[in-house]
Amino acid sequence: DVVMTQSPLSLPVTLGQPASISCRSSQSLVYSDGNTYLNWFQQRPGQSPRRLIYKVSNWDSGVPDRFSGSGSGTDFTLKISRVEAEDVGVYYCMQGTHWPHTFGQGTKLEIK
Amino acid sequence: EVQLVESGGGLVQPGGSLRLSCAASGFSFSIHWMSWVRQAPGKGLEWVATIKQDGSEKYHVNSVKGRFTISRDNAKNSLYLQMNSLRVEDTAVYYCAKNPPGDYLDCWGQGTLVTVAS
Repeated sequence: DVVMTQSPLSLPVTLGQPASISCRSSQSLVYSDGNTYLNWFQQRPGQSPRRLIYKVSNWDSGVPDRFSGSGSGTDFTLKISRVEAEDVGVYYCMQGTHWPHTFGQGTKLEIK
Repeated sequence: EVQLVESGGGLVQPGGSLRLSCAASGFSFSIHWMSWVRQAPGKGLEWVATIKQDGSEKYHVNSVKGRFTISRDNAKNSLYLQMNSLRVEDTAVYYCAKNPPGDYLDCWGQGTLVTVAS
């Protein structure tokens, strides 16, 4: 199985400051069709997960543009340009290139 | 508006069975792959199973193979997860999720809690 490793696992951030989460996969996530199926999800406290970013860098509808995704191959990053209070929660990366699909351990973002 | 509503969770003894359902509305259910994802209490997300539009392809995580089966009824806009031989470690909130064309998990339900305990 492809192992997804996120860092850091805990991320205290001051309001208005940037934040960055790394996600590394144990194998390349480039699929035979040329796409890279790496998604990012946000789970606010007490809520269901919500997809933010798909195929590395594409925003889902309604996602603020302060969120951005980048990366290639086995190395990916989610960035928040200026953290707001509503961004508190746990962030997960997930690969959909290889079966079984696998998630990272999650990164808990909190306000300092 | 896309809606996914899970049901069927509850308390079951180890070795028991449950069937989860997910009622879908607000989109063309029959043209989308669908998935189940679970989250143990206080833990992270774990993909469980995915099924193709017509049910001809199914994928399950290794830890549930031979015990859980994903299925669907397109006429009823419903997704199911039959869970047999349940173990304590299957205790989790189970989410139903829709897969958009060419990608995964763009909409999630509110989840249903399955507790396996004696």
